[in-house]
Amino acid sequence: AQKITQTQPGMFVQEKEAVTLDCTYDTSDPSYGLFWYKQPSSGEMIFLIYQGSYDQQNATEGRYSLNFQKARKSANLVISASQLGDSAMYFCAMREGIWRDDKIIFGKGTRLHILP
Amino acid sequence: GAGVSQSPSNKVTEKGKDVELRCDPISGHTALYWYRQSLGQGLEFLIYFQGNSAPDKSGLPSDRFSAERTGGSVSTLTIQRTQQEDSAVYLCASSLGGAMNTEAFFGQGTRLTVV
Repeated sequence: AQKITQTQPGMFVQEKEAVTLDCTYDTSDPSYGLFWYKQPSSGEMIFLIYQGSYDQQNATEGRYSLNFQKARKSANLVISASQLGDSAMYFCAMREGIWRDDKIIFGKGTRLHILP
Repeated sequence: GAGVSQSPSNKVTEKGKDVELRCDPISGHTALYWYRQSLGQGLEFLIYFQGNSAPDKSGLPSDRFSAERTGGSVSTLTIQRTQQEDSAVYLCASSLGGAMNTEAFFGQGTRLTVV
């Protein structure tokens, strides 16, 4: 069964608008971490933001914030005031129960296009 | 080193040949991961190491794929008798082990083309 689901294969957003990229996850472990990465056309993987399962507040990092809804197993990435340079693939990832398994698994990604 | 280093950056090989892909992680990182990314697709988990041990090899596509890590540092991913469907970018990442919130740092990848 797929553990990380990103339902939006592609999105087109007007520059300066906010955008939400969806991510749902599946785990029975109470301890887990969620990550978002950006992959521009150059291919490099850039870490954006982290949310721990026990964190009380939603993570924020500059223009990036994570809308964490634990009961719904949802960890959506919100990019405020989008810029042309935000055009890239975005991947949601999860690490489960560090003491049992340090594996990090990724979703299939969402390709974001920012329109001028 | 300053970052995760992968070599070669590009590899073209003939079908049926064996290839070795190398990953040099960030010094001190105990966890090391291999992923495969086909053109425009997501990251497919292959294997990860904690130190020199590989607790999870479940992602290796077939017995033609193997990986090892020595000295808790450099890792080699070997593909035997390569097939055209093995063509992809192979990404290596490393992270500090034993902490939930440490992100994985990625190398630039090895682009493998099997002709």
